[in-house]
Amino acid sequence: ETGVTQSPTHLIKTRGQQVTLRCSSQSGHNTVSWYQQALGQGPQFIFQYYREEENGRGNFPPRFSGLQFPNYSSELNVNALELDDSALYLCASSLDSSYNEQFFGPGTRLTVL
Amino acid sequence: QKEVEQNSGPLSVPEGAIASLNCTYSDRGSQSFFWYRQYSGKSPELIMSIYSNGDKEDGRFTAQLNKASQYVSLLIRDSQPSDSATYLCAVNTGGNNRLAFGKGNQVVVIP
Repeated sequence: ETGVTQSPTHLIKTRGQQVTLRCSSQSGHNTVSWYQQALGQGPQFIFQYYREEENGRGNFPPRFSGLQFPNYSSELNVNALELDDSALYLCASSLDSSYNEQFFGPGTRLTVL
Repeated sequence: QKEVEQNSGPLSVPEGAIASLNCTYSDRGSQSFFWYRQYSGKSPELIMSIYSNGDKEDGRFTAQLNKASQYVSLLIRDSQPSDSATYLCAVNTGGNNRLAFGKGNQVVVIP
């Protein structure tokens, strides 16, 4: 059974640029959630995708967007990057939207200069 | 009021002792509660899930849930140096399976 994978591992961007982060869910899982974790803080929910549809969104501006593909992999896109977007971005997959256990990938460390 | 609160500062325990971590939550409708372990520079790893009032044991870990008091705790028995990590309390809330996390508690096990 393949676990959750994310790419890239690290990324450095400058303010105003755009970034795309990728996530492959665990085998058999159709729900993907994205979280942002700033240094010293707990993860903050960005949004969740279930069967290619957005299934809930946290308190993040519209420049954070995403999508999910038919194979249940997912992308997180962030436009007009700001310095405060520097964080660890975590993808978590779960069996389906009604199953609560979420398993995290290794994360993508984004640095915005 | 924060959705999930973990107020204790770093916890230092001698090897072999019990580490006790506490967490409170604000949403009375929450039904699912989790503890994640996060090593420095790594992603969170699910170590315990609990859904009903009472205790749930898994190896050296025991989770305790009291929905009336909106309180979740984690006990780590026979603490080992490998248990040194940050422990995150997470609560399912908002009706769409999003997890709300506490800030985390750092545990340091001293050999």
